[in-house]
Amino acid sequence: DQQVKQNSPSLSVQEGRISILNCDYTNSMFDYFLWYKKYPAEGPTFLISISSIKDKNEDGRFTVFLNKSAKHLSLHIVPSQPGDSAVYFCAASEPGAQKLVFGQGTRLTINP
Amino acid sequence: DTGVSQNPRHKITKRGQNVTFRCDPISEHNRLYWYRQTLGQGPEFLTYFQNEAQLEKSRLLSDRFSAERPKGSFSTLEIQRTEQGDSAMYLCASSLYSGTYYNEQFFGPGTRLTVL
Repeated sequence: DQQVKQNSPSLSVQEGRISILNCDYTNSMFDYFLWYKKYPAEGPTFLISISSIKDKNEDGRFTVFLNKSAKHLSLHIVPSQPGDSAVYFCAASEPGAQKLVFGQGTRLTINP
Repeated sequence: DTGVSQNPRHKITKRGQNVTFRCDPISEHNRLYWYRQTLGQGPEFLTYFQNEAQLEKSRLLSDRFSAERPKGSFSTLEIQRTEQGDSAMYLCASSLYSGTYYNEQFFGPGTRLTVL
C-alpha cells in the first residue's frame, strides 16, 4: 500500500526554467510533509517542509505547495540550475509519529 | 565532518551469513532512525531510538533483524541468516528532539548490502 506516490519517475527541465515535482498521498492523517534531495552515493538531504496548517512555504528558490483537499503537494524550483539534478523524494508523517513515509522519487535532470 | 556516518559503505556477503552495520549520528542528536531503500523505491522506515530506548519497530523488521543503541550514541543493525531479499541500501538518520512538533532528520550516506 503506497501511501505516498510520485507518479513521474523522471523529469527533464531546461536550465533557468521552473521545475515542478508532484506528490500525492492517500493517508488523510498525514499532517507534515517534507522534500529531500538525493545525489548518487549520498544520503537524502532535507530541502523544505510544510505542515498541514499552511498551504505554501518558501525557501529561496524552493517553494512547496500543499492542497489538502486534493491530497497533493508540489515542489517548485525556480530558476532551475544544473546542480539541482538529483532524485527528489517527498515524505510525510502522521501527528506524533517519528517515522517518515517516502514516495518512490523523481529523477530531475536540468539541461544546460 | 560532523554529519551522520555509516560503516561499512558497502558489504557483500553470502546467503546465510550474519552482517552488522554501524551508524554514528550527529553528536548532540538524541533520536536515531534506520531505513531501508531498494532500487526504484524511497526509503522505508525500520526502527527508531530515543537515546538508548527503541521506541518503534516496523513490521518490515523481521526476527532476523536486531538493532541496538547501547549508550544512546552509535547504533548497530544486525541481520542474521541473510537472504537475497535483504539486498538493499540501509540508511541511518538522526534528529534532535527537544519537545517541538517535528524535527528534521539528517541522513547518512548508507550501507549498500549485496547478498549473493
